[in-house]
Amino acid sequence: GAGVSQSPRYKVTKRGQDVALRCDPISGHVSLYWYRQALGQGPEFLTYFNYEAQQDKSGLPNDRFSAERPEGSISTLTIQRTEQRDSAMYRCASSLVPLVRNEQFFGPGTRLTVL
Amino acid sequence: GQQVMQIPQYQHVQEGEDFTTYCNSSTTLSNIQWYKQRPGGHPVFLIQLVKSGEVKKQKRLTFQFGEAKKNSSLHITATQTTDVGTYFCAGLGEYGNKLVFGAGTILRVKS
Repeated sequence: GAGVSQSPRYKVTKRGQDVALRCDPISGHVSLYWYRQALGQGPEFLTYFNYEAQQDKSGLPNDRFSAERPEGSISTLTIQRTEQRDSAMYRCASSLVPLVRNEQFFGPGTRLTVL
Repeated sequence: GQQVMQIPQYQHVQEGEDFTTYCNSSTTLSNIQWYKQRPGGHPVFLIQLVKSGEVKKQKRLTFQFGEAKKNSSLHITATQTTDVGTYFCAGLGEYGNKLVFGAGTILRVKS
């Protein structure tokens, strides 16, 4: 069956531009997570949703970052006024039930490069 | 805040040799998960450990959770080239609601 999909897979933007990264979780998965992964590092938590409700956004670096999941399915991570330090792999993951103690299925990621 | 450290950062073994990676948390964990990421790929769930002192096996892979629930290990017996990748541990704090990942151990296997 279909796994977690993310789009675009690669995004190159100029400093100061806004970007929107999309995540399409596995159908029926209740929880959705956003992570940022730097080269040579593990995924770093950004935020997560149960259904459409954002449960924890403590990992968002600053107020330029926001996320939404309005209908409890597809989610968008938006970065406003991008900076070079925002360059990274952004990964989305989903899990079937609304507990962190469950297997997370990761998507292929969006590689963001800010020039 | 909670921190998860993994050692070694990198290990290069001859095919057939054993491999172990260790994970240590700064705080007591309610559970720990292990993921494998192939080069150019995304993290794939391997296993979850919940109980103090728990040991689980998956073919040539053995996972342990420490008695104090602050450390864990993954041991691979007789490595194969298909074992190549980065192995991450991810811990959930006792009162936490998010996984904290270690930096990973990169495994390279020479045939």
